[in-house]
Amino acid sequence: DADVTQTPRNRITKTGKRIMLECSQTKGHDRMYWYRQDPGLGLRLIYYSFDVKDINKGEISDGYSVSRQAQAKFSLSLESAIPNQTALYFCATSAPGTRGEKLFFGSGTQLSVL
Amino acid sequence: AQSVTQPDIHITVSEGASLELRCNYSYGATPYLFWYVQSPGQGLQLLLKYFSGDTLVQGIKGFEAEFKRSQSSFNLRKPSVHWSDAAEYFCAVGGGSYIPTFGRGTSLIVHP
Repeated sequence: DADVTQTPRNRITKTGKRIMLECSQTKGHDRMYWYRQDPGLGLRLIYYSFDVKDINKGEISDGYSVSRQAQAKFSLSLESAIPNQTALYFCATSAPGTRGEKLFFGSGTQLSVL
Repeated sequence: AQSVTQPDIHITVSEGASLELRCNYSYGATPYLFWYVQSPGQGLQLLLKYFSGDTLVQGIKGFEAEFKRSQSSFNLRKPSVHWSDAAEYFCAVGGGSYIPTFGRGTSLIVHP
């Protein structure tokens, strides 16, 4: 079984709909992240959480919200989806360390907003 | 602010040829540098990382990278490319916040 699991793998939705992407991990890591990937733009950080009570905005948080339900679960919500939120979304985890943490990624959720 | 530039969007090589993917970074102190690979339909996997010490870093799958402070570069190399190396490659820089900033990626195409 995958250490970082994202559901769903693919989702097609319509403009204005609310949608939630879910992420769960079995690695026991405190830190969790949501990134989006767009062709030619690489990965951009949406939100991150260093523990259950800690939520922080990344560089592109507008239009998104998150919930850290437990150490192992971190959900990303689009309250009112718009077409330019069509992208590949990745959840990642890391263990706190003193020097440059390795990120462990899920397989991604391909979201299409029509 | 930290940033990463990967100047090549696509690189095409023949199987068995050598490979070098370029990465330039901007960071105010000693950086933590990473190369990740993304195979089609998969998440990213760490190839190698540099924190300090020996500037030539060995990674998985036969990859290596060299940190050159004077050039602010961390180029990825492989002496002989295999068809299975076709993928998207991302360079990333981290530091005090421990949250890496990723480059835009380089797509590697391998011809038989």
